[in-house]
Amino acid sequence: GQQLNQSPQSMFIQEGEDVSMNCTSSSIFNTWLWYKQDPGEGPVLLIALYKAGELTSNGRLTAQFGITRKDSFLNISASIPSDVGIYFCAGKEGFDSNYQLIWGAGTKLIIKP
Amino acid sequence: DAGITQSPRHKVTETGTPVTLRCHQTENHRYMYWYRQDPGHGLRLIHYSYGVKDTDKGEVSDGYSVSRSKTEDFLLTLESATSSQTSVYFCAISGTDTYEQYFGPGTRLTVT
Repeated sequence: GQQLNQSPQSMFIQEGEDVSMNCTSSSIFNTWLWYKQDPGEGPVLLIALYKAGELTSNGRLTAQFGITRKDSFLNISASIPSDVGIYFCAGKEGFDSNYQLIWGAGTKLIIKP
Repeated sequence: DAGITQSPRHKVTETGTPVTLRCHQTENHRYMYWYRQDPGHGLRLIHYSYGVKDTDKGEVSDGYSVSRSKTEDFLLTLESATSSQTSVYFCAISGTDTYEQYFGPGTRLTVT
């Protein structure tokens, strides 16, 4: 099935750095969701986006619904150690009654020693 | 936190044995999903339910069956477990008129 292209696959971060990641699709999406997964736990919804161009923040996290509707971005400002984990994007192509999402493979944030 | 529990949280079983995983929600949400998560594959949908007794296949449904006899419970059954079904299984729920899914804590299944 279709999968979103999420990049980077992994990145090393130093405390205090800003972090950026993105997801792209070959088709137009009407919903973008960003999740974070800590080791041994289920993914937790961070931000939901529903309109092209929408910019939404959740604390130090900011996500944007791309104008082309084929991409979305997540930024983390001034990273802290608890930001490590795997970040997933997920999207929905239409507004139909099929509630299945399309998922990215994840971006793994690792703290620099 | 959404009220979702999964049981068991860990299970080791032998090849060829049947296994049933349970997902229980207290949110009265209509939609429930079973995913598996494997390194390099992210989250892959196995089956989902859009109401009591209403279920449909996801992208990796072979070897799995599901049942939903009550709104709050969604069961995933491996009729005859294989080593390729060793994985972490997540249940998720979503309400009507939203695509936002909320996940349970997961079940780590090892098939030896």
